[in-house]
Amino acid sequence: NAGVTQTPKFQVLKTGQSMTLQCAQDMNHNSMYWYRQDPGMGLRLIYYSASEGTTDKGEVPNGYNVSRLNKREFSLRLESAAPSQTSVYFCASSDKRRSGANVLTFGAGSRLTVL
Amino acid sequence: QQQVKQSPQSLIVQKGGISIINCAYENTAFDYFPWYQQFPGKGPALLIAIRPDVSEKKEGRFTISFNKSAKQFSLHIMDSQPGDSATYFCAALTWVDYKLSFGAGTTVTVRA
Repeated sequence: NAGVTQTPKFQVLKTGQSMTLQCAQDMNHNSMYWYRQDPGMGLRLIYYSASEGTTDKGEVPNGYNVSRLNKREFSLRLESAAPSQTSVYFCASSDKRRSGANVLTFGAGSRLTVL
Repeated sequence: QQQVKQSPQSLIVQKGGISIINCAYENTAFDYFPWYQQFPGKGPALLIAIRPDVSEKKEGRFTISFNKSAKQFSLHIMDSQPGDSATYFCAALTWVDYKLSFGAGTTVTVRA
């Protein structure tokens, strides 16, 4: 059972380049999320998708776009990368259970460096 | 501005000792308070969680203490082991929007 799979695991970009981070989950979860993790700041929500066909901004959406391609896949795009977007990006999914909840299941992360 | 404040940023404990991590929140609408454990190069994984109507929850060597009136909660790791060395995040969410707000994280190092 793969859970949440993210690609690529590592990426180096130059300022101004674009790229897309891919995420897929095989748990039949309705909700999917993109977080970024920076030292001393914990994880901050970039965008989330409550269900297929819907997306909403999180805490730090500027410079990013997302696409919920289908129920399984949720991609994050950087149109013009900036050094401030150097971070580790995590995709997560949830079935939004309220009891015994696992809450969010995270992928292994994608480490992005923007030079 | 972080909705959940976590301290300390890091701590070192001897094997067999107790690790204590503290978190505080302001939003009284939070419905659920999970703790996540993260090893280097891995994603966060749920460790233990508590509802605000419960004052304490224990799972093995891990205990959450919750003080609703003070809007504070803490994680205690008893009999700390080298394998517990990781970064720990407290978090909170409301059932309505189901978006986790994370603390800044605490790096725990357990010395053998």
